[in-house]
Amino acid sequence: EVQLLESGGGLVQPGGSLRLSCEGSGFIFNIYAMSWVRQAPGKGLEWVSVMSGSGASTYYADSVKGRFTISRDNSKNTVYLQMDSLRAEDTAVYYCAKGSLRGVVRKHWDYWGQGTLVTVSS
Amino acid sequence: DIQMTQSPSSLSASVGDRVTITCRASQDIGNDLAWLQQKPGRAPKSLIYDISNLETGVPSQFSGSGSGTDFNITISSLQPDDFATYYCQQYNTFPWTFGQGTKVEI
Repeated sequence: EVQLLESGGGLVQPGGSLRLSCEGSGFIFNIYAMSWVRQAPGKGLEWVSVMSGSGASTYYADSVKGRFTISRDNSKNTVYLQMDSLRAEDTAVYYCAKGSLRGVVRKHWDYWGQGTLVTVSS
Repeated sequence: DIQMTQSPSSLSASVGDRVTITCRASQDIGNDLAWLQQKPGRAPKSLIYDISNLETGVPSQFSGSGSGTDFNITISSLQPDDFATYYCQQYNTFPWTFGQGTKVEI
């Protein structure tokens, strides 16, 4: 059974940093792209970033480019989102999502984690 | 960026009704269109990919159609478990983008 478990959310002050983690199980982690998607309170979904299975390719939304960094440790079946220079508008539930097709980045997601809440406030 | 526009933003329906939600892309996205379902306080769930393919385990009352820039998801007979918010999403071009959502209410 595929499972994705996010952690690392919490309350952080504007300008601060936070690192989210998403541990995958039930699938061969290192051959699937992994994404982060967020949802501000009461709002819709926003794609944040994606990394290929090998880690060689990464893409970001303009709203986080230069502030957020996606990475992965395939030995730990974990993908990370390092969030720096956080702003109030980054407040959201952050979900990780698994790419559906082995070795392919530009494809839909088939599994989602339960999400972790990040609140940026003083 | 590719804009995804859903209509309606919300709708009221009854169990057994046939419901169709429309999604329009601001440019041709080929087959790279997915539909997701989200219930309050829950993570999104992938329903349909590549316009019309159902994810494993998705009930057959769901179907997707369309091409190019205009797409639909249809629920042929609304069930109590189907009351949720539905999003379309394109994965053709970065940044990947979502529609604003359609809330299906009783």
